[in-house]
Amino acid sequence: NAGVTQTPKFQVLKTGQSMTLQCAQDMNHNSMYWYRQDPGMGLRLIYYSASEGTTDKGEVPNGYNVSRLNKREFSLRLESAAPSQTSVYFCAGRDRGAGEQYFGPGTRLTVT
Amino acid sequence: AQSVTQPDIHITVSEGASLELRCNYSYGATPYLFWYVQSPGQGLQLLLKYFSGDTLVQGIKGFEAEFKRSQSSFNLRKPSVHWSDAAEYFCAVGPFTGGGNKLTFGTGTQLKVEL
Repeated sequence: NAGVTQTPKFQVLKTGQSMTLQCAQDMNHNSMYWYRQDPGMGLRLIYYSASEGTTDKGEVPNGYNVSRLNKREFSLRLESAAPSQTSVYFCAGRDRGAGEQYFGPGTRLTVT
Repeated sequence: AQSVTQPDIHITVSEGASLELRCNYSYGATPYLFWYVQSPGQGLQLLLKYFSGDTLVQGIKGFEAEFKRSQSSFNLRKPSVHWSDAAEYFCAVGPFTGGGNKLTFGTGTQLKVEL
């Protein structure tokens, strides 16, 4: 099992460009999450999907959209990137009935 | 609202010394508590978790944590630190079920190990 995978690993965007961060899991997770990690701020939840077909806003959703394409895939889209969105983005999945989340390796995004 | 406080931003210990990382939480119901570790350039790996039962839980890599309800704390300990333990450690709290099982993370403690 690959677990939770994310693509790309690194990305540089110019202000105003758009892009989609991809996340896929082969662990049969029901719930999936997108976080951003900034120095000194820990992980902050952007969006989550409690189950296939549902998505909800987290703590910092502005400037982002998500799609739960199917049970395996949960993508994060930046429609018009801003320098404030420079961050490391993590996707995570969770099994039904368990509390812990399993994290992907992250995408390091720089917006210039 | 749930919250997690990790009061120590940086901690330095000598290899072989004992370690305690502090975590205090605020949660309105019975919390589900976690410790994760993040090595440089990597994702987060679960060290241990606690929901109920014995308040001293054992995790991977020789770590343990003790839940103290009266102090709203869930401190992480290791009797003898190895150089490979240098990493960032995150405490998290969430519900056992419901509410999307959203976790709230602390801001992390960066551990440096001196040889």
